[in-house]
Amino acid sequence: QVTLRESGPAVVKRTQTLTLTCTFSGISLTTRGVSVGWIRQPPGKALEWLALIDWDDDKFYSTSLTTRLTVSRDTSKNQAVLTMTNMDPVDTATYYCAVSKSSYDYYFDFWGQGTLVTVSS
Amino acid sequence: ETVLTQSPGTLSLSPGERATLSCRASQSVIINYIAWYQQKPGQAPRLLIYGASSRATGIPDRFSASGSGTDFSLTITRLEPEDFAVYYCQQYGDSLTFGGGTKVEIK
Repeated sequence: QVTLRESGPAVVKRTQTLTLTCTFSGISLTTRGVSVGWIRQPPGKALEWLALIDWDDDKFYSTSLTTRLTVSRDTSKNQAVLTMTNMDPVDTATYYCAVSKSSYDYYFDFWGQGTLVTVSS
Repeated sequence: ETVLTQSPGTLSLSPGERATLSCRASQSVIINYIAWYQQKPGQAPRLLIYGASSRATGIPDRFSASGSGTDFSLTITRLEPEDFAVYYCQQYGDSLTFGGGTKVEIK
């Protein structure tokens, strides 16, 4: 059974850097074809893909946010980490991590419950 | 970047009716790399369909999807009470993008 859980601050201040951790079980980021993605959803709005890290440590970022995002992993802890710099109130959203196990077909089979991050001004 | 436009924004139907949701891409989607998700209030999205037409594990066969190129659709043949939710399409052929969603609500 694959489970994921996002953790990090519920509130950050404008201009601060957000760091979120995705801890997962039942799957490994060293297994060929597995990747972990980050997706966010502002309240009442649609999903927006942010970043993805592959089993071979390749990293991909949303074009519109690439300068602000960094994704990394700690395979010994079964974790993926997302950092987003220069936070703004418009970045207030529920942030999800999700797993793709389909070897470069980047759709998401399993999702965490999400964590709401509020950016205060 | 491939933009996905979903229509209608809201679909008002009764249980037992058929729902057809549309997802149109701004350019042709490589190898029909389209997925569909269902999201209920307060929950994470759930994968329904990948590869434009393949059902994910455990998804009932009342959910089907088709399409190619720039036009894709998701059909729910007979709406069950638990199917009223928001549905998103996602393309993964040109980076990754999600559509704006279609809400299926009870009429």
